[in-house]
Amino acid sequence: SAVISQKPSRDICQRGTSLTIQCQVDSQVTMMFWYRQQPGQSLTLIATANQGSEATYESGFVIDKFPISRPNLTFSTLTVSNMSPEDSSIYLCSVESEAGTEQFFGPGTRLTVL
Amino acid sequence: AQKVTQAQTEISVVEKEDVTLDCVYETRDTTYYLFWYKQPPSGELVFLIRRNSFDEQNEISGRYSWNFQKSTSSFNFTITASQVVDSAVYFCALIYNQGGKLIFGQGTELSVKP
Repeated sequence: SAVISQKPSRDICQRGTSLTIQCQVDSQVTMMFWYRQQPGQSLTLIATANQGSEATYESGFVIDKFPISRPNLTFSTLTVSNMSPEDSSIYLCSVESEAGTEQFFGPGTRLTVL
Repeated sequence: AQKVTQAQTEISVVEKEDVTLDCVYETRDTTYYLFWYKQPPSGELVFLIRRNSFDEQNEISGRYSWNFQKSTSSFNFTITASQVVDSAVYFCALIYNQGGKLIFGQGTELSVKP
């Protein structure tokens, strides 16, 4: 199974600032996914990040608000820009196993925006 | 439309009771994959099982068992002899094309009391 780490594990930020979340995988993967989990809610896909191409965003999410980088096959970042309290959520990255039989998730980043 | 419904928002049982978590899905595709994840209070998502649409065999793993029935579009999860450590939010999820996004149900919060 893939081992995924995320930094930071949690943060408290001020309104109007930006936070970049890092996701590191211990093996090379083609596709990485970023999800948001608002308090008490389910997970919603923000975007899919493939190495060497622009991220693909889901309806309701835009690149200006959630820019994503994917510089290589083991790393990705998600930036939450111009934050508001509504952005307070857990942000999780995930990868698909090589066999395509499982999706593994990182430990998540708990973001609180004041 | 692709959709996953977990009608049970919260379930509370006493230790050693058996408990079944319901999951009903909707998809037009004939090839799809179903998942169950566990999210303990720590927030991390733990992969439990993946089932593809062509494999209707039920699965048992220790105290956990899964009942997949295409006729009713259901993929239910049973915990036998529940334990306090089983307390968590459980998510059922669907992928309708390999490498695609996970569509999550709303989750069922299971509380196992000693």
